[in-house]
Amino acid sequence: ELKVEQNPLFLSMQEGKNYTIYCNYSTTSDRLYWYRQDPGKSLESLFVLLSNGAVKQEGRLMASLDTKARLSTLHITAAVHDLSATYFCAVDSDSNYQLIWGAGTKLIIKP
Amino acid sequence: DTAVSQTPKYLVTQMGNDKSIKCEQNLGHDTMYWYKQDSKKFLKIMFSYNNKELIINETVPNRFSPKSPDKAHLNLHINSLELGDSAVYFCASRRTGGHEQYFGPGTRLTVT
Repeated sequence: ELKVEQNPLFLSMQEGKNYTIYCNYSTTSDRLYWYRQDPGKSLESLFVLLSNGAVKQEGRLMASLDTKARLSTLHITAAVHDLSATYFCAVDSDSNYQLIWGAGTKLIIKP
Repeated sequence: DTAVSQTPKYLVTQMGNDKSIKCEQNLGHDTMYWYKQDSKKFLKIMFSYNNKELIINETVPNRFSPKSPDKAHLNLHINSLELGDSAVYFCASRRTGGHEQYFGPGTRLTVT
């Protein structure tokens, strides 16, 4: 059974600091997705990582994928308050068109 | 233009009632999903349809019945609502062989 684990599940940090959210998954997959959810809002796609070594960057966020280690990271550089949200990673199950979701990481960035 | 839309956005109802949530996507996608998100924000897949055919039917009570009249619509009917059904329900769609799922705005269901 494919499992996706995120850590940490909760992260409180100061503005200006750097931090990394980790997403581990339990089977071979070369397609991984990061989503952002603001409180009371829907999920918004952030990054689509489709191959080993893929790296995507958008502003202060950078995501990478290591399919051999079955690990993706979401790195936050010089955090700002506007990045406060819950971040989810999800992995293609290779069957049934299904994504397997992590539990989400709630990120709070204090001014 | 709205890509994935859901109605209603909020739904407050009493235990035992029957209610429906509607979802429509104008992206031309052929796979649609229903998710339940509980208060702890965990996302649980409930159903998935591909070209109007049910392909995922996770362990949910049979009080929940999805219906897909065409590829652009996936509705969710819930019978005999219970307190534990209170959650946010998200519809999503995806292009077969494509990549990310696109989510609707969610329907916050409160059962009293």
